[in-house]
Amino acid sequence: AQSVTQLDSQVPVFEEAPVELRCNYSSSVSVYLFWYVQYPNQGLQLLLKYLSGSTLVKGINGFEAEFNKSQTSFHLRKPSVHISDTAEYFCAVRASYNNNDMRFGAGTRLTVKP
Amino acid sequence: DGGITQSPKYLFRKEGQNVTLSCEQNLNHDAMYWYRQDPGQGLRLIYYSQIVNDFQKGDIAEGYSVSREKKESFPLTVTSAQKNPTAFYLCASNQGAGELFFGEGSRLTVL
Repeated sequence: AQSVTQLDSQVPVFEEAPVELRCNYSSSVSVYLFWYVQYPNQGLQLLLKYLSGSTLVKGINGFEAEFNKSQTSFHLRKPSVHISDTAEYFCAVRASYNNNDMRFGAGTRLTVKP
Repeated sequence: DGGITQSPKYLFRKEGQNVTLSCEQNLNHDAMYWYRQDPGQGLRLIYYSQIVNDFQKGDIAEGYSVSREKKESFPLTVTSAQKNPTAFYLCASNQGAGELFFGEGSRLTVL
C-alpha cells in the first residue's frame, strides 16, 4: 500500500517570502501524486498533480511541485506567498493502477503573516 | 456549473441517534467516496462506490453505512454504533484515473 508523510505540520512565513511544503511518499509501484488546498470549513481543491511526463508540475495560484523518484518526494513550492495562501495543504498519493485508493498526508498548515 | 453538493453543512446529533449526510454530484462521475477528517489526521476513507448498487468498505467503515441507488447520489449514514462520530465529513467523486473532486463538507457534532 502507499503512504504519505508531510514533514511539517505547521509552516509560518512572512508575506512575499518563498515557501516549500515537504511531502515524502512510500510505494513499491508507480504512483500518481497530488497536492490539494483546504480553506477553513471547506472541501479540498486541487492545486496540481503529477501523472507522468515532466517532473516539474505547475499548478494554480503560482504553486509548483517537483516529482523526485529517487528521493520519493513531491515538495510544493511558491516563490512569493500572499496572505490569501493561508490554508491547510494536503499531499496525496495513489497507485497508478488503482483509481480508488488515494492516501492523504496529515496536512501542513501554512500561515502567511504580514 | 458541475460539482458536488453536500448537505447539511452543520449537523448536531444526540448520542444514540442515526444521522444521514447527503451527497449529490452532477459531474457524471462513476466513482464516489466518503472521507472523514479529524484535526491532525488528514483524510481517512470510510466507503467508496465505483458503480451503482455496489460499494466497498474503506479503512474506517465500522459504524457507518452507505447506499448507491443512483449514479448521482451517495448518502452516508452515521449510526449509533460509531463510537466517536464528531468530525468533518467530505464527499468526493472521480472518473477513471482523474483526480478527486470534493464537496464543501458536513460538520457533525454529537451533543
